[in-house]
Formats: sequence, C-alpha cells, structure tokens
Amino acid sequence: QQQVKQSPQSLIVQKGGISIINCAYENTAFDYFPWYQQFPGKGPALLIAIRPDVSEKKEGRFTISFNKSAKQFSLHIMDSQPGDSATYFCAAIFSNAGKSTFGDGTTLTVKP
Amino acid sequence: ETGVTQTPRHLVMGMTNKKSLKCEQHLGHNAMYWYKQSAKKPLELMFVYSLEERVENNSVPSRFSPECPNSSHLFLHLHTLQPEDSALYLCASSQGSGVASSYEQYFGPGTRLTVT
Repeated sequence: QQQVKQSPQSLIVQKGGISIINCAYENTAFDYFPWYQQFPGKGPALLIAIRPDVSEKKEGRFTISFNKSAKQFSLHIMDSQPGDSATYFCAAIFSNAGKSTFGDGTTLTVKP
Repeated sequence: ETGVTQTPRHLVMGMTNKKSLKCEQHLGHNAMYWYKQSAKKPLELMFVYSLEERVENNSVPSRFSPECPNSSHLFLHLHTLQPEDSALYLCASSQGSGVASSYEQYFGPGTRLTVT
C-alpha cells in the first residue's frame, strides 16, 4: 500500500502561472511533510516543509497548504518561471522513526 | 566541501566487476541512507544507517553490500550486478530520529551507474 500518493505525474504551466502539486497520505502518525526539488542529473534538494499544526507555510514564491482532516497537502508555486522546471517530490515523515516516505514525483515544465 | 558528496559521479561497470560507491556528509548528521532512483520510478529506499548501525534493509539483493565505518562515511559495494541495476544511486543524511531530530534528509548529487 502506497502511503503517500502524489498527483499529477506531470504538469505543464505557462510562465507567470500557478503550479499546484498535490499529495495525500494515509497514516496519521506522519508528523512532518517536506517537499523536494530535483533538477536533471542532481540529487533532490529540500525546498520547504511543514508540520501538521500549521495550515499554511510560505517561503518566497513557494507555499505549502496543509489540510489535516483530509490528510492532504499541496505545493503551490506562484509566478512560475522556466527555471522552476524540475521534478518535485513530497514526503511524509514519522518523527520517532526519522524515515521519509516519498511520493512518486511530479515533473513540472514551465513554458516561456 | 559542504553538504553531502558522492563519488564517483558516473560509473560504467561490467556484470563481473566489483566497484564501490562512496558518500561523505559534512553536516554532523548521525543517520545515512542509500536510495535507488530509476527512470520514471519513485525513489526506492535501500539501506538506512543510524549511529553507524544498519537499521533498515529493504529486501535489497545481496549483490549490493553497504558499509558505514563512521557517521560521516557510507559506502555501497557492488558486485556481479545486472543491467537492471543501472540507475542513479543517491546518498542522503539526516539528524537521525527522536525528539531533537531535524528529520529532513539532505541528498548528495548521486552516482549515475551503468551496468553493461
């Protein structure tokens, strides 16, 4: 059973538009939710993260929205730029185990 | 050097070769991980070391053998690999587990492995 489901698999957005990537999780024991950005040929890099006691976290053009009751969280990229074109992974972590469970990834293409 | 480094960045090996991948973290973390990333597939966790002790082994074939001599270094020894083992192998580190943990994993750039 996949514990973290990510959608869409791929996304194409025009420059200046809003990119939205969604993740849903099953286990309510998860208590930390990071997002990673990966460019081709590079390792994933931590982008932004949120704890379930917060409904929204914003860092620059990147915002995480968190819905604890629905067990869903999403990444919003405002004013998307071609340089944002990458693969994005959501993850969910058990604090006690320190183990990350990753979504399958979303390939974002921002067209100029 | 900062963050997590991996060597080599690219490796081509035959099925009968023996090679090793190296990972070094400069973040003072106490947990290290090996992941396999194949094209169009999710990240696959292979091994987890916490305080130099292997705490997880996700049914990885024995042709992959990890080694963690100290909290800063992690190796993945490879022998008699198969073509389907060709992938990007990623190392990551984190501040372990427990209340004081930072939880996020920091990844190295990966080793692109091709098995011929």
